[in-house]
This record gives sequence, structure tokens and C-alpha cells, in this order.
Amino acid sequence: AQKVTQAQTEISVVEKEDVTLDCVYETRDTTYYLFWYKQPPSGELVFLIRRNSFDEQNEISGRYSWNFQKSTSSFNFTITASQVVDSAVYFCALSEAGSGGSNYKLTFGKGTLLTVNP
Amino acid sequence: DAGVIQSPRHEVTEMGQEVTLRCKPISGHNSLFWYRQTMMRGLELLIYFNNNVPIDDSGMPEDRFSAKMPNASFSTLKIQPSEPRDSAVYFCASRRDLSGAYEQYFGPGTRLTVT
Repeated sequence: AQKVTQAQTEISVVEKEDVTLDCVYETRDTTYYLFWYKQPPSGELVFLIRRNSFDEQNEISGRYSWNFQKSTSSFNFTITASQVVDSAVYFCALSEAGSGGSNYKLTFGKGTLLTVNP
Repeated sequence: DAGVIQSPRHEVTEMGQEVTLRCKPISGHNSLFWYRQTMMRGLELLIYFNNNVPIDDSGMPEDRFSAKMPNASFSTLKIQPSEPRDSAVYFCASRRDLSGAYEQYFGPGTRLTVT
């Protein structure tokens, strides 16, 4: 069974600090997909990134970067020079591409609440 | 392009009343999901449709919950009768196809309060 663990329940930083949100996953599939979503205080869930299991290249998008390491089953998310607007709950999620028919399911971690203080 | 649209955004009702939540997926997406989010249980998948057909409803809590997707652009989640423990945020999400390779796009959610 697939599982996503976000060990950090809450993180509090001061504006301009860098912060890394951890995500560790478990899956038996060799092909799978990893996602990050952001849920700001307004409540909507916003898609941030998708990563394929066969592409370990790290990705950078502005102040956001993602480090995918299959060897440690981790898909960590770093925000550089954090801002107050980054305050949100961040969810890591996993879906498998197996032929068992359950590949539509998205397994979410429990989320990390990030608070960026001015 | 319009995102996933949900209505109402907020619903307050009394125990025993019927509640209907509505969702319009992104045009062209053929997979639709209903989730429930609570502090205690996090995000739970309730039901999944593909090409308007319910594929997996194992997450539906009990017979009081039902969902329909009469066409590709509309889905409803109904609770009858509602109970206080149904209070939660209900999200609808859509995806372009069956494959787990693609991301789901979520609507803004409906915050349901049952008193």
C-alpha cells in the first residue's frame, strides 16, 4: 500500500528565512507520481508540482525548489527567502501507475503547516 | 480557463435536512473526485467518477451519502439526512484522464456546517 509521511506537523520561520518541508513516501510500484499542493488560509487546494518517478532531476520555480531522491524515497520542498504569503498548509501526495486499477487514487500526507512571521 | 466550480461555498443546515453540493469540473477533464476534509481525518476520498461513471465509492461514509454525475460537466453530492458529524469542507476535483500521471485540480470547496 502506498503511504506518504510528512513528519513536520508545524514549522514557524521568520520572513526571508529558507525553509524545507520534508516528504517521505512508500510504494511498491516502480512507476509513480509525486505532487505538492498548497492550502492557504483561504482554504483552496492549489497544485504546485508533479514529478515522475523516472525523472530525478530537481526542479526550481522562482523561490520554490524540489529535491526528489529515489534512494531515500523523499520529495522535499524548499522555499527560499520565505514570505508571509507563503504561510499555508502544504501537502505532499503520491499516485501509482500500476495496472491494479487503483492508479487513480491520490494518497495525501497529513500536511505541514508553515507559518512565516514578518 | 475556468477552474473547478463548486456551489454553494458555505452551507449551514439543521440536522435531518437534505444537503446538495454541486460541482462543475474543468472542461475536457473526464475524471472527477469528491473529497471531505476535517481536522481529525484530513483529506478523505469519497467517490471517484470516470467518464461520468462511478468507479469507486468505497469512501462514501454510509447510505446517507450519494453522488451523481449526469453529464461530463456536472456532479452532485447529496447528504440525506444530514448529521452534525457531516460538518466538514467538501472538495470536488477533476483530472484530465484516468491515469495517475496527471494532477488533480481542486475546486474552492464547500464548507458545510450541520447544527
